[in-house]
Amino acid sequence: QLQLQESGPGLVRPSETLSLTCTVSGGSVRRSSYYWAWIRQAPVKGLEWIGSMYYSGRTSYNPALKSRVTISVDTSKNQFSLNLTSLTAADTAVYYCARGPASGSGLNWFDPWGQGTLVTVSS
Amino acid sequence: DIQMTQSPSSLSASLGDRVTITCRASQSISSNLNWYQQKPGKAPKLLIYDASRLQTGVPSSFSGSGAGTDFTLTISSLQLEDFATYFCQQSDSAPQTFGQGTKVEIK
Repeated sequence: QLQLQESGPGLVRPSETLSLTCTVSGGSVRRSSYYWAWIRQAPVKGLEWIGSMYYSGRTSYNPALKSRVTISVDTSKNQFSLNLTSLTAADTAVYYCARGPASGSGLNWFDPWGQGTLVTVSS
Repeated sequence: DIQMTQSPSSLSASLGDRVTITCRASQSISSNLNWYQQKPGKAPKLLIYDASRLQTGVPSSFSGSGAGTDFTLTISSLQLEDFATYFCQQSDSAPQTFGQGTKVEIK
C-alpha cells in the first residue's frame, strides 16, 4: 500500500525558503503512470494546489505561486521535494504531498495524501 | 481560475439521514470533478472521481452525479463515521481548484 510522509521545518522566518520532502514507501516515484503533487491548506484560504511533477521531469505549477516554486524528484531516495521561496505569513499552512494518476492534461485527482505537515512563517 | 462553490457551508443531520452536498463550477468542467472527505487533523481522502466513480474501498452509501457546472455528492444513509468536512475539486483546467468545504455535523 502506497504511503507518503512529509518532512521539513515547522517554523520558517519571513523572506526565507521553505524546503519540504515527501518520502514515498510501498511504491516508486519512477512510475510513469503517476504524478507527484504538493497541496496546502490554510485556515482562511482553504485547499490550494501548489504544483505537480512527473517522473519524466515535466512540471506544472499554480500560476499564483509559479515564480516561487520548484518541485523536484530524487529517485535514489524515492522522494520528491518542494522549495518555496520568499515566504510571508500568507504561506502559513498545512502542506500535503500526494499522488495522482497520469493524464494527457496533467490534471487529475489526488490519492493518496500524506498526513500533512504544519508550516508556520514567523519571525 | 475556475471557482468552485459548495453549498451549504455546513449542515446538521441525524444518523440514517440522506445528505446531499452541491458543488457548482464557474464554467463547464465536463465530468472532471472529484470529492474528498476530511476529518479533523487528517488528510483529505478521495471518495469519488470523475464526478461519479466510487474510489475503491469507499462505501456504496456515497455517490456522485452531475456534469458541466453542477455536481452533487449524496450520502444515502449517514453513519457516525461520515461526520466530516467534504470538498470538491475540479481537474479540468489548471490550476486545479477546490471548493471551500461543507461540514457535516451531528444534529
